[in-house]
Amino acid sequence: DTGVSQDPRHKITKRGQNVTFRCDPISEHNRLYWYRQTLGQGPEFLTYFQNEAQLEKSRLLSDRFSAERPKGSFSTLEIQRTEQGDSAMYLCASSSASGSREAFFGQGTRLTVV
Amino acid sequence: EDKVVQSPLSLVVHEGDTVTLNCSYEVTNFRSLLWYKQEKKAPTFLFMLTSSGIEKKSGRLSSILDKKELFSILNITATQTGDSAVYLCAAPTTDSWGKLQFGAGTQVVVTP
Repeated sequence: DTGVSQDPRHKITKRGQNVTFRCDPISEHNRLYWYRQTLGQGPEFLTYFQNEAQLEKSRLLSDRFSAERPKGSFSTLEIQRTEQGDSAMYLCASSSASGSREAFFGQGTRLTVV
Repeated sequence: EDKVVQSPLSLVVHEGDTVTLNCSYEVTNFRSLLWYKQEKKAPTFLFMLTSSGIEKKSGRLSSILDKKELFSILNITATQTGDSAVYLCAAPTTDSWGKLQFGAGTQVVVTP
């Protein structure tokens, strides 16, 4: 499978715990994006990387959220001290900086905070 | 602030019907408009539109962009139950084409 891969697919955690999600982009894509989607809404942009550099962060990304892409390949999104409002689908996407530039999405990680 | 608005929010049709989904946008430095289909999980890419008045087609789906009136439509003809999904419209808001402003989506239900 050469698409965007996310792990885990589902995560249930207790409020206050930390969680980490992983995204493996399409191998030739140098741009990687994180989105959050809640029920009945379109995805909302959180942050994006070009290679290993984090170029933009949304105001939605509070201090409890941190994302990394240390070697310009896979990325991790960590949420510290989870709150019930963090329950959502977390989507990762990747794209190329040139040529056909549309973003391709992974299957997402569904987070439930109880 | 960049904005993408879709209508209707939901609709139910019978197999064989034609549906038209609407997307209006207000985006600074408009580059393109994209349509995605989301069935349960990952949005899957359908179309990217950059030029006004040029229809893009893929099987029973087609889409067109009007850059003067700032809207796009997605048509699905001869609908099938497999077309049941949320259809999302989005526009890049910067030179990074993956930073997308999405609409809330249109939920399409096709009944047998």
